[in-house]
Amino acid sequence: NAGVTQTPKFRVLKTGQSMTLLCAQDMNHEYMYWYRQDPGMGLRLIHYSVGEGTTAKGEVPDGYNVSRLKKQNFLLGLESAAPSQTSVYFCASSYGAGAYNEQFFGPGTRLTVL
Amino acid sequence: QQPVQSPQAVILREGEDAVINCSSSKALYSVHWYRQKHGEAPVFLMILLKGGEQKGHEKISASFNEKKQQSSLYLTASQLSYSGTYFCGTEGGKLVFGKGTKLTVNP
Repeated sequence: NAGVTQTPKFRVLKTGQSMTLLCAQDMNHEYMYWYRQDPGMGLRLIHYSVGEGTTAKGEVPDGYNVSRLKKQNFLLGLESAAPSQTSVYFCASSYGAGAYNEQFFGPGTRLTVL
Repeated sequence: QQPVQSPQAVILREGEDAVINCSSSKALYSVHWYRQKHGEAPVFLMILLKGGEQKGHEKISASFNEKKQQSSLYLTASQLSYSGTYFCGTEGGKLVFGKGTKLTVNP
């Protein structure tokens, strides 16, 4: 039981390049989330999904797109990376709605945009 | 709106106690607490729900004042393993995390 996994662990991009971060969970959770973490800012929600085929915007969605084609996977895309997107990205999942259910986090992806 | 945590940082000696506070300007359904060690993912500690129900995995106590929209996390007889950054998350629709409180426990 791997829990929540993220691919890749590290990535360096040049400004304007694109990339996709992959999150996978094997706990059959309905809800999945993408956060970014910057020093002194805590965890900020980018996008989330309440089930296969659904996505919704979080606090800081600009510059990112997501897809949830399979229940176990949640992809985060950067179409044209900017230095402001340098951050640590965490994926999380939960069995049900956030109010009543703990979130399980992946190990994170450290992204640097030059 | 991001909840406000206080203090921003605290340094303890092993065995001492600490209280971390979390307040929100919005009405809350629940408050979540997570701990993150340096270079690792956040780990769930506790959920406090309206009406007094609590869900948690560790022997850490917390309170939730629904009227004041505040929660406090109580760390008693601290251990070295308690070191890390503590985040509260408030649920008023979507979970929004505070900026964190860095706790350092020294021998």
